[in-house]
Amino acid sequence: EIVLTQSPATLSLSPGERATLSCRASQSVSSYLAWYQQKPGQAPRLLIYDASNRATGIPARFSGSGSGTDFTLTISSLEPEDFAVYYCQQRSNWPPLYTFGQGTKLEIK
Amino acid sequence: EVQLVESGGGLVKPGGSLRLSCAASGFSFSNAWMNWVRQAPGKGLEWVGRIKSKTDGGTTDYPAPVKGRFTISRDESKTTLYLQMNSLKTEDTAVYYCTADLISAAARDYWGQGTLVTVSS
Repeated sequence: EIVLTQSPATLSLSPGERATLSCRASQSVSSYLAWYQQKPGQAPRLLIYDASNRATGIPARFSGSGSGTDFTLTISSLEPEDFAVYYCQQRSNWPPLYTFGQGTKLEIK
Repeated sequence: EVQLVESGGGLVKPGGSLRLSCAASGFSFSNAWMNWVRQAPGKGLEWVGRIKSKTDGGTTDYPAPVKGRFTISRDESKTTLYLQMNSLKTEDTAVYYCTADLISAAARDYWGQGTLVTVSS
């Protein structure tokens, strides 16, 4: 089973600052890595798929990078609505099992 | 408009069974890979399993915690996804979401609103 480890667990920043979230896989997942945002009481929303492709309707301030085992989600300039929990998810072809990281909580400083 | 509406959640005793349904509309259900994802109260997301489209073989995959206990199926005529849960444990208590993977077709996926399953004596 592929394990995803996200860091940090909590990130405290102010609006306008740059956020960098990390996701590390226990073995290579190639580029089959997605990022989700979840706000309280809501279903998650897909932000990035295949490591670096923005999903439909996602603002350009969100970007993803990485391949293999190390991935990064960057929010270039935080907006008030960006404070939420972020999850990475791997979708490798083999083993054909998707897993989520434990999440990073992005909170207002 | 894409809609995914889960139903069937509720209170069940340990060892019991429950079947969740997810009624889908607004997209080509037959071409979509469908997933179930759960979230225990106050915890993170956990992938519960996936069923491919019929055209891609209709096969299913499950993670170890639910393999052998949970079964995902789909009814193309009703555009409905199912999750049959047997031998339920207290640790299966969670909100269960169904999701439609439309990344190839629309660069996004869709989630239902979730249904709460509580396993307790």
